[in-house]
Amino acid sequence: EAQVTQNPRYLITVTGKKLTVTCSQNMNHEYMSWYRQDPGLGLRQIYYSMNVEVTDKGDVPEGYKVSRKEKRNFPLILESPSPNQTSLYFCASSLSSDRMRAFFGQGTRLTVV
Amino acid sequence: GNSVTQMEGPVTLSEEAFLTINCTYTATGYPSLFWYVQYPGEGLQLLLKATKADDKGSNKGFEATYRKETTSFHLEKGSVQVSDSAVYFCALRIPGNQFYFGTGTSLTVIP
Repeated sequence: EAQVTQNPRYLITVTGKKLTVTCSQNMNHEYMSWYRQDPGLGLRQIYYSMNVEVTDKGDVPEGYKVSRKEKRNFPLILESPSPNQTSLYFCASSLSSDRMRAFFGQGTRLTVV
Repeated sequence: GNSVTQMEGPVTLSEEAFLTINCTYTATGYPSLFWYVQYPGEGLQLLLKATKADDKGSNKGFEATYRKETTSFHLEKGSVQVSDSAVYFCALRIPGNQFYFGTGTSLTVIP
């Protein structure tokens, strides 16, 4: 089954404690991206990757890092989380030849206290 | 700049009512337009899309027409069902693959 898998689904952490949210897709997609969803703001893109070892900033990259060492994985790293990063995060992937159709993960609800 | 504005919710309708969710956009160049749906506890799913002016996207009884003259992409459905209860996001994509999403409109359909 084609899917984008995020882990964990829910996470509560404390300010400053490094964390990683994993994202994996099994569709051999070149393009992957991370979004955060906040009430009244919709989804905003954090980072995206056009292919392995190619990453670029989206609209709200501050406080986040990503890496793309393999095609299937695109982890989101928060080196020093802060309460304003409490949000719902979505990972998405798509084929470069069909960029219209993005597949989204189920979301990770992160709370930073 | 690029942005999407959609009507604020929440929207509550009775089953079989007519649905319209307004969406307007601002974009440089020639964007593609999308509606995504998010069911409770799930990620976003593509509902329909349109890639150029006057295109009509349709799926599961939903329709939206790309209107360049009014920069709009309103979502419509003639008869909603309880199973249509979800959050709907309008989005545009500019060349280069970046998406811009609206704030989402929550729809609740009551029997």
